[in-house]
Amino acid sequence: ETGVTQTPRHLVMGMTNKKSLKCEQHLGHNAMYWYKQSAKKPLELMFVYNFKEQTENNSVPSRFSPECPNSSHLFLHLHTLQPEDSALYLCASSPSGPGHEQYFGPGTRLTVT
Amino acid sequence: DQQVKQNSPSLSVQEGRISILNCDYTNSMFDYFLWYKKYPAEGPTFLISISSIKDKNEDGRFTVFLNKSAKHLSLHIVPSQPGDSAVYFCAASTNFGNEKLTFGTGTRLTIIP
Repeated sequence: ETGVTQTPRHLVMGMTNKKSLKCEQHLGHNAMYWYKQSAKKPLELMFVYNFKEQTENNSVPSRFSPECPNSSHLFLHLHTLQPEDSALYLCASSPSGPGHEQYFGPGTRLTVT
Repeated sequence: DQQVKQNSPSLSVQEGRISILNCDYTNSMFDYFLWYKKYPAEGPTFLISISSIKDKNEDGRFTVFLNKSAKHLSLHIVPSQPGDSAVYFCAASTNFGNEKLTFGTGTRLTIIP
């Protein structure tokens, strides 16, 4: 596979469930990102990892817990979510450092019931 | 408080004509700007970028213009083709392209055959 892949593509979960989103990049990048896109809102940066270390947490509630075991994989662990957390969750990767565009995965469409 | 604004949610253009997508920003610290294109069920893909040391950058049919004094940038697509129909996002960052991108809400471009 090439590029940035995300699984699952669609997820429906109850407010008491625990689930995880997975992202994998095959581009040799060292920076990885989680974004949230809610209806009629801009993409919002959630977390940034550089060389497996978290370098940005954009005031994200603790019910979202990221994990980056290596530079190719990124997870977003979800627990006790709220209906307003329903959104498209996008993963991206890029080379580290300034002046690089980010490459996005197709996203996971999450619905919290 | 949206720092990057795309005030036109949609735009329709005849095939072969010029498409002009606009973006305004409020943060004077932004010095690197990018345009992304998104098809349904896919992640955003990078189109073109511009640094604040330039006022124009061209790549094939795509040209981005930056007016720093007006805090305004625009993407010109000429000639427009049916495959250009997509949602276009403007994004901005500081430090000449650090990892923290701030996105606009997007403009849906429809090319009419």
